[in-house]
Amino acid sequence: ETGVTQSPTHLIKTRGQQVTLRCSSQSGHNTVSWYQQALGQGPQFIFQYYREEENGRGNFPPRFSGLQFPNYSSELNVNALELDDSALYLCASSLGLTATNEKLFFGSGTQLSVL
Amino acid sequence: DQQVKQNSPSLSVQEGRISILNCDYTNSMFDYFLWYKKYPAEGPTFLISISSIKDKNEDGRFTVFLNKSAKHLSLHIVPSQPGDSAVYFCAASGRGSARQLTFGSGTQLTVLP
Repeated sequence: ETGVTQSPTHLIKTRGQQVTLRCSSQSGHNTVSWYQQALGQGPQFIFQYYREEENGRGNFPPRFSGLQFPNYSSELNVNALELDDSALYLCASSLGLTATNEKLFFGSGTQLSVL
Repeated sequence: DQQVKQNSPSLSVQEGRISILNCDYTNSMFDYFLWYKKYPAEGPTFLISISSIKDKNEDGRFTVFLNKSAKHLSLHIVPSQPGDSAVYFCAASGRGSARQLTFGSGTQLTVLP
């Protein structure tokens, strides 16, 4: 039990639609990261938010955007969905920004299918 | 361009024996390495880590070895137990990367009773 919850657990969308995925971080954690895990691959870093501002971004296009709220919740928004966006989306929360700290807690993920 | 590679998609080991999972990396800027374990329908959970200033870190049945010159790390599990059956991901981070982890593609470990 990591204290990180994601909703919904599963979602089916059509190509071209928009989707919002939600994450509730562990209490007190001011950093949230989002990862995309395609089938048979490891998680790939999308972006990170620290104190409600984007603090780092991976190799993902601008149609992937996010928000972090003061109540430790966050959102991942994806516009103009493509078939390749089908994946497991993982949210991870942590305290602070120290890169060497392994205290990164993952949620169980949202499985997104784009048809 | 995969900066972290796990070349064995799967590994089967008999209960009680040693499991050795391997990982290679290419980015010299990585200075911290972690192993995560993932069960189906759950998120990855942290298992063990090692800083680049060390060559070994041990935690109970789990030991991680780092060979910087070869850019190779391995996870040893001794003795292996059926509950260890899961996907194991190797991950790396670099100085100033604000916890951005670069993951390998994972190795499915099956421990046979």
